[in-house]
Amino acid sequence: SYVLTQPPSVSVAPGETARITCGGNNIGSKSMHWYQQKPGPAPVLVIYYDSDRPSGIPERFSGSNSGNTATLTISRVEAGDEADYYCQVWDSSGDVVFGGGTKLTVL
Amino acid sequence: QITLKESGPTLVKPTQTLTLTCTFSGFSLSTSGVGVGWIRQPPGKALEWLALIYWDDDKRYSPSLKSRLTITKDTSKNQVVLTMTNLDPVDTATFYCARFTIFGVAAGGFDPWGQGTLVTVSS
Repeated sequence: SYVLTQPPSVSVAPGETARITCGGNNIGSKSMHWYQQKPGPAPVLVIYYDSDRPSGIPERFSGSNSGNTATLTISRVEAGDEADYYCQVWDSSGDVVFGGGTKLTVL
Repeated sequence: QITLKESGPTLVKPTQTLTLTCTFSGFSLSTSGVGVGWIRQPPGKALEWLALIYWDDDKRYSPSLKSRLTITKDTSKNQVVLTMTNLDPVDTATFYCARFTIFGVAAGGFDPWGQGTLVTVSS
């Protein structure tokens, strides 16, 4: 089955840029979706189809996907961005695959 | 406004069967390109996809749990039901349902999600 690999944690200072990666075999050929999950609430979709933002998601959130790596980039990081982030794709069988999640810490 | 809400037992005994209902509003599961999925999250752990159902009643299951899962829909009631058999304490998790849509040949992300329901498996 298809596997998505995320770093367990990423730390960044306020105002800096956070980059959270998601690795997978030829992942650039698949559509990547990213979710933010803060403690308690359900996950929220922050990027879909590699780089599109749902309404209400700040422009500071962006995404890219090429080769074997997809990246969620958060510019001008704020304390409120501290959360777990998950990547997700649909594999060639039509099954859903989630990455293991990355905890973003704002220093 | 699209909303989804999960309901079902909060405590289940080992070996029992769990039945969860996702009741939604703001969309119809008879609309082409629309579907609902179930995802679970053990305490402190990552998201795990379980099953999904499409508007045309096509269904997909997690390969590792396929033998234990059944997903059905009742379009008239705006509900999707997930059944999981032979529960074990390791199945303790928050269970979420979420909508997804398909644009062209590519499926989109899950949006929005229900609030989730915590199911504890314990004797």
